[in-house]
Amino acid sequence: QVQLVQSGGGVVQPGRSLRLSCSASGFTFSGYTMYWIRQAPGKGLEWVASIWHDGSDEYYADSVKGRFTVSRDNSKNMMYLQMNSLKAEDTAVYYCGREMPVTWWGQGTLVLVSS
Amino acid sequence: DIQMTQSPSTLSASVGDRVTITCRASLSISDWLAWYQQKPGKAPKLLIYKASTLESGVPSRFSGSGSGTEFTLTISSLQPDDVATYYCQQYEGYSRYTFGQGTKLEIK
Repeated sequence: QVQLVQSGGGVVQPGRSLRLSCSASGFTFSGYTMYWIRQAPGKGLEWVASIWHDGSDEYYADSVKGRFTVSRDNSKNMMYLQMNSLKAEDTAVYYCGREMPVTWWGQGTLVLVSS
Repeated sequence: DIQMTQSPSTLSASVGDRVTITCRASLSISDWLAWYQQKPGKAPKLLIYKASTLESGVPSRFSGSGSGTEFTLTISSLQPDDVATYYCQQYEGYSRYTFGQGTKLEIK
């Protein structure tokens, strides 16, 4: 069955970096565009980034453009979100997802940006 | 960016009631509209896509309608398990996907 398992969240100081990972199984990973979506505590959902099935194109929300980079390794069925220059407003639960609209979601991982 | 506005923000209804949530887009999105259900501490769950297509496994009491800029999610007979926050989302194009602010549904 389809599974998306996330790792890599935690507490980080403002200005520092963190990398999130999303491990996919149960489907042909290389055939799907993948997404990162986040949810600040007590708030709604915000699309963060997208990466084409073959990694040939990426899109970012204005709020993270220039600071976050999405990548994937289809040989390992993995997607990543490299987050640099983190700000307090990046504090959120980050979800990875398959397809749009998102039919399968990771379990979510909390990123807390705090000094 | 296309703005999505949901109403109401909170809704309290009784078991068995018919419940309707509205979502408005700031620009026409044809029928590129999805509805999600999210329970506390859980990832969202897709209920409806293309405005009115029920995702596999979703109870038939859920339905969606609309096109262009006006959309609705209807629960025909509210059940206790339906207590959750509901989000609409537009997915027109290849990026800049946006969500409504959410509607928290409670049981009276």
